[in-house]
Amino acid sequence: DAKTTQPPSMDCAEGRAANLPCNHSTISGNEYVYWYRQIHSQGPQYIIHGLKNNETNEMASLIITEDRKSSTLILPHATLRDTAVYYCIVRPNNNAGNMLTFGGGTRLMVKP
Amino acid sequence: DTGVSQDPRHKITKRGQNVTFRCDPISEHNRLYWYRQTLGQGPEFLTYFQNEAQLEKSRLLSDRFSAERPKGSFSTLEIQRTEQGDSAMYLCASSLFAGAAETQYFGPGTRLLVL
Repeated sequence: DAKTTQPPSMDCAEGRAANLPCNHSTISGNEYVYWYRQIHSQGPQYIIHGLKNNETNEMASLIITEDRKSSTLILPHATLRDTAVYYCIVRPNNNAGNMLTFGGGTRLMVKP
Repeated sequence: DTGVSQDPRHKITKRGQNVTFRCDPISEHNRLYWYRQTLGQGPEFLTYFQNEAQLEKSRLLSDRFSAERPKGSFSTLEIQRTEQGDSAMYLCASSLFAGAAETQYFGPGTRLLVL
């Protein structure tokens, strides 16, 4: 699976947009980009995923560059409850087991 | 609550004892994954099932670990002769694999402390 690179930590002011970058320059054509977050002492929470096109749901937006070598997760109006570790994962979808390979993630601190 | 559930949420045991954890996946999810997470690290894959068949095991899953999913619904993870290095959060995730994008949903985890 392709590796991802994320900044280890970021700060964001409450109410502002949080833009979390992820580099996945070795991504393959059949690999999706998934984002999860993990709030302290809880299980990872699925946020969003995409293949080529930008995606939006009730939690966030995912912007994938045209060459697919990087992406950005956008939380449009960050709240204190968005403080968490955010993981960007690339993973193929095939008939074999699609286990997730977690890297270090980005620790997002939302400040009042 | 229709999400993934795990039991117990916390377990403290003495070195050498056996422990068993249970995971109940989201109803009708055919795949079930086990991960382990140590302090300060991201989760690491242990094993997964498709229905009742265990299809892959990580090198992390030593012979002291065994997992089952007898009827293709809930799963158990047993650790025999626990060691202090087994102290970690054990996470279960389930998904519906149907040939398209497969999204895993995680449970709250079981936190194990081996004294």
